[in-house]
Amino acid sequence: AQSVTQLGSHVSVSEGALVLLRCNYSSSVPPYLFWYVQYPNQGLQLLLKYTSAATLVKGINGFEAEFKKSETSFHLTKPSAHMSDAAEYFCAVSLLPAGGTSYGKLTFGQGTILTVHP
Amino acid sequence: EAQVTQNPRYLITVTGKKLTVTCSQNMNHEYMSWYRQDPGLGLRQIYYSMNVEVTDKGDVPEGYKVSRKEKRNFPLILESPSPNQTSLYFCASSKDRWTSGSNEQFFGPGTRLTVL
Repeated sequence: AQSVTQLGSHVSVSEGALVLLRCNYSSSVPPYLFWYVQYPNQGLQLLLKYTSAATLVKGINGFEAEFKKSETSFHLTKPSAHMSDAAEYFCAVSLLPAGGTSYGKLTFGQGTILTVHP
Repeated sequence: EAQVTQNPRYLITVTGKKLTVTCSQNMNHEYMSWYRQDPGLGLRQIYYSMNVEVTDKGDVPEGYKVSRKEKRNFPLILESPSPNQTSLYFCASSKDRWTSGSNEQFFGPGTRLTVL
């Protein structure tokens, strides 16, 4: 079974500071990993995804994440926070296809609300 | 514009009154899914569909029904809503069932349902 744990339901940073949102996964097989962002009153938007290519993945809006198999982690970072980054962030895992099929099921973490202070 | 649409966006109803939340995508996607979002629980999958007439249960299917008669539409049906189904619901779609594990899922704007 696959699962995702996001450490910290709320993270607060100052504008210009480093953003670090933590995600650890549990999966019996190599997974696909995603970060989605949800702005207030909106649906989810893909930030970036890991699909077994490069372990350092760059996404939109200056975000990146590094897949570390030994730590079963996929933490999201951004060097310098901007006020517009304030949102809720979700880490999600999906399993690789098995036998040529994939059910595409995303298992989400609990979410981390990022607050950016001036 | 490529998008997933949901209707209604907001709905307040009473216990036991049947309702349907519609979902439509214009990207010719094979895979569609419904999630509910609750505080502290993230998003949990209710039902998914790998293609027309092919649906299956997700993690929290109790109290819900779905149908997939056309590729573009995937309505969520609550036959007898109860207060514990008060939640924010999202429909999502992705390109195809064979690689849907790695494909981006596109999400609708959400439907906020309150059951009194």
